[in-house]
Amino acid sequence: EPEVTQTPSHQVTQMGQEVILRCVPISNHLYFYWYRQILGQKVEFLVSFYNNEISEKSEIFDDQFSVERPDGSNFTLKIRSTKLEDSAMYFCASIFLAADTQYFGPGTRLTVL
Amino acid sequence: SQQGEEDPQALSIQEGENATMNCSYKTSINNLQWYRQNSGRGLVHLILIRSNEREKHSGRLRVTLDTSKKSSSLLITASRAADTASYFCATDGSWGKLQFGAGTQVVVTP
Repeated sequence: EPEVTQTPSHQVTQMGQEVILRCVPISNHLYFYWYRQILGQKVEFLVSFYNNEISEKSEIFDDQFSVERPDGSNFTLKIRSTKLEDSAMYFCASIFLAADTQYFGPGTRLTVL
Repeated sequence: SQQGEEDPQALSIQEGENATMNCSYKTSINNLQWYRQNSGRGLVHLILIRSNEREKHSGRLRVTLDTSKKSSSLLITASRAADTASYFCATDGSWGKLQFGAGTQVVVTP
């Protein structure tokens, strides 16, 4: 069964450093998402991406965040200058159509020191 | 905001018993999805129920949806220790984004 993959599984970085989290969505899917989950809290929407542009972003997704689909398969989330409060699990997800089942990757645990 | 909220927050049962958890939301939806998350791991999709459906089954899972009450329930029958996890409901929004509730933590003891 096709699945969403994410790399790395765990990223440790120093405050102020840039990180890039990578995702490979399911190949025929058209909508892509990033979510985050701070330890012990609910999963929060960050951004949706469709037709090579951001379709919606949350208030969490400020100027420090950016997303890109550089080729036909990868979908990346970049945090330019990480803060301690960016420490969380980051999930990538994808769907074929907007009202479909949304499939999640296994997540990248980001730890900012 | 369009948001699922689960009840109860935590549930402790013995193997073989049924587990029921509820989800309430605030505005109209196209669909509602249930996910499972084992501690510190990814989100596993369990079931999607559309707004024009009232009940759906998948193996030992039964989901109901009452759009008039803006609520859904997830029933796990004949629970097993492997069902120990957090369960989340998520409602769809614009561009397919999901809004999650805080989850129900289920512990199944042998």
